[in-house]
Amino acid sequence: GAVVSQHPSWVICKSGTSVKIECRSLDFQATTMFWYRQFPKQSLMLMATSNEGSKATYEQGVEKDKFLINHASLTLSTLTVTSAHPEDSSFYICSAGTGMNYGYTFGSGTRLTVV
Amino acid sequence: RKEVEQDPGPFNVPEGATVAFNCTYSNSASQSFFWYRQDCRKEPKLLMSVYSSGNEDGRFTAQLNRASQYISLLIRDSKLSDSATYLCVVILYNQGGKLIFGQGTELSVKP
Repeated sequence: GAVVSQHPSWVICKSGTSVKIECRSLDFQATTMFWYRQFPKQSLMLMATSNEGSKATYEQGVEKDKFLINHASLTLSTLTVTSAHPEDSSFYICSAGTGMNYGYTFGSGTRLTVV
Repeated sequence: RKEVEQDPGPFNVPEGATVAFNCTYSNSASQSFFWYRQDCRKEPKLLMSVYSSGNEDGRFTAQLNRASQYISLLIRDSKLSDSATYLCVVILYNQGGKLIFGQGTELSVKP
């Protein structure tokens, strides 16, 4: 089945620094990947849709200059949280899939803590 | 109104019980439907797809009613290992295939 690898699984960083999260499709090509954020006791909230070779589509309320997305190849999308603040601390998850009728596979998630 | 709404939780049931979760969606353009399971502090994992004809996988049965824009999940003979949060998910074809999640329903199965 489709496998999505996400790295790192957890990261602690200082306020003001930037953190890059990678999402890779290991055994399939993904022209589209999705980035989600999940706060404790809440559901996953879509942040943006990452499109290979073009600009990402951001959901309302998500700052594109703060959450930089790059989808340079069919197997890799990266999310960079720039100038991180404690309120950016969250669980970030990517997903990709081989087809809409087969659901999407999620990466293992990245737990970001900004101190 | 949220695009996908689920029963509020938590559901606390004894082992062996049958439990049902409901989900409604507001966007009639929704084309694909799924139930995902999420364990604490882990990523969601696909439990099953949901079809108009209904589908069953062991102790789990999913139903879709397009006219009412309603999805359900039935778990029979609950096991302790079924304890998790169950997420109702719809895919919007007209918005690039993005997934919309319900807020999740927490299930706790007790001995």
